[in-house]
Amino acid sequence: SALTQPRSVSGSPGQSLTISCTGTSSDVGDYNYVSWYQQHPGKAPKLMIYDVSKRPSGVPDRFSGSKSGNTASLSISGLQAEDEAEYYCYSYADNYTFFVIFGGGTQLTVL
Amino acid sequence: EVQLVQSGAEVKKPGESLRISCKGSGYNFSTYWISWVRQMPGKGPEWMGRIDLSDSYTNYGPSFQGHVTLSSDKSINTAFLQWSSLKASDAAMYYCARHTTVTTPFDHWGQGTLVTVSS
Repeated sequence: SALTQPRSVSGSPGQSLTISCTGTSSDVGDYNYVSWYQQHPGKAPKLMIYDVSKRPSGVPDRFSGSKSGNTASLSISGLQAEDEAEYYCYSYADNYTFFVIFGGGTQLTVL
Repeated sequence: EVQLVQSGAEVKKPGESLRISCKGSGYNFSTYWISWVRQMPGKGPEWMGRIDLSDSYTNYGPSFQGHVTLSSDKSINTAFLQWSSLKASDAAMYYCARHTTVTTPFDHWGQGTLVTVSS
């Protein structure tokens, strides 16, 4: 089944917030291969964080990632209007030959 | 610039076959893998399977094994996702995405192909 994310979060410009992603000891808890993707309506997902806490080139340092046990988190500081999007977490899960699992998604609303 | 460009939207009837494509450019296509991801309306992404473009080795997610086929043509830098008999439940947006190993992230995605299946 999918990784568990809150359905929605919201914050005002300038604020900080965190989105959680809960899995199991077979995926998030066992591997440091958690990624986060941002998806604006009608657009393809964009990689924001990989390997739990690494940022690809071009992603603002307002975005950061962490993990504790079976739960990974995406933190966004200094919230901006353009951060409003759907966010999905993703984890490698070696319970098949090669299997990856996504979260159900979190809608971030900037108030 | 790395680009994955997918084929256009499709409208099909149940039982029909379909093949959609994903063409890579701006990088050495055959040194990467391509995964396909399904996204149904209002839902999170689901990993369908991957193909290693160097040798066409494939793995499929449990929900998709036997229902879809992944293939590629390195001569034209293109990966394909194919159905032999579509169901209404196959209606979704489909994305291709590239990565290098089982544990590397999907760092570039195609723009998506919308598949509509209706009688």
